Amino acid sequence: DQQVKQNSPSLSVQEGRISILNCDYTNSMFDYFLWYKKYPAEGPTFLISISSIKDKNEDGRFTVFLNKSAKHLSLHIVPSQPGDSAVYFCAANGGKGGNQFYFGTGTSLTVIP
Amino acid sequence: AAGVIQSPRHLIKEKRETATLKCYPIPRHDTVYWYQQGPGQDPQFLISFYEKMQSDKGSIPDRFSAQQFSDYHSELNMSSLELGDSALYFCASSHKLARAYEQYFGPGTRLTVT
Repeated sequence: DQQVKQNSPSLSVQEGRISILNCDYTNSMFDYFLWYKKYPAEGPTFLISISSIKDKNEDGRFTVFLNKSAKHLSLHIVPSQPGDSAVYFCAANGGKGGNQFYFGTGTSLTVIP
Repeated sequence: AAGVIQSPRHLIKEKRETATLKCYPIPRHDTVYWYQQGPGQDPQFLISFYEKMQSDKGSIPDRFSAQQFSDYHSELNMSSLELGDSALYFCASSHKLARAYEQYFGPGTRLTVT
């Protein structure tokens, strides 16, 4: 049962434009959401997070939005840079999950120079 | 800065063989997590340890076992390997009481079962 879903397996964006990556979840007990970035042959690297008490968190070019009623979150990257090309995983934890993550299947972002 | 170390980075085994994956957490981290990522899939949580005791258990098969040692490194032991065990195995470490985002991932061990 996939509790965290990323329905777009890939996304291509022109350099300088906005990249929007989407994520949906089903478990209303999740109270902490994270985005990870993964390059080939490397482990996931933490990017940005948001607690369920907030609806927006911003860190430089990265902003995460959370819509609890829709059980949806999104990651905005503005402006997109070629170095942002990677696989982005949405993850959630909370409720009975303890400290474990529940990951989405990832979205491969390609930023075209 | 020191990161999570996993060894080996690549491992090829045959069906029904056994494999042992090792994880060395970041210094002073006392919690270790194991994840399995199959081809084209999301990382699935297997098991975690805190202070050498199992703390959380996910979708770890009975054929697999793991432990954390006194120096906090952890080993994932996999027996009676099946083709479906071919995957990337990630280890992550954190310090107690850290929220989930403070898990630091290693580069992974790619296991191929033939």
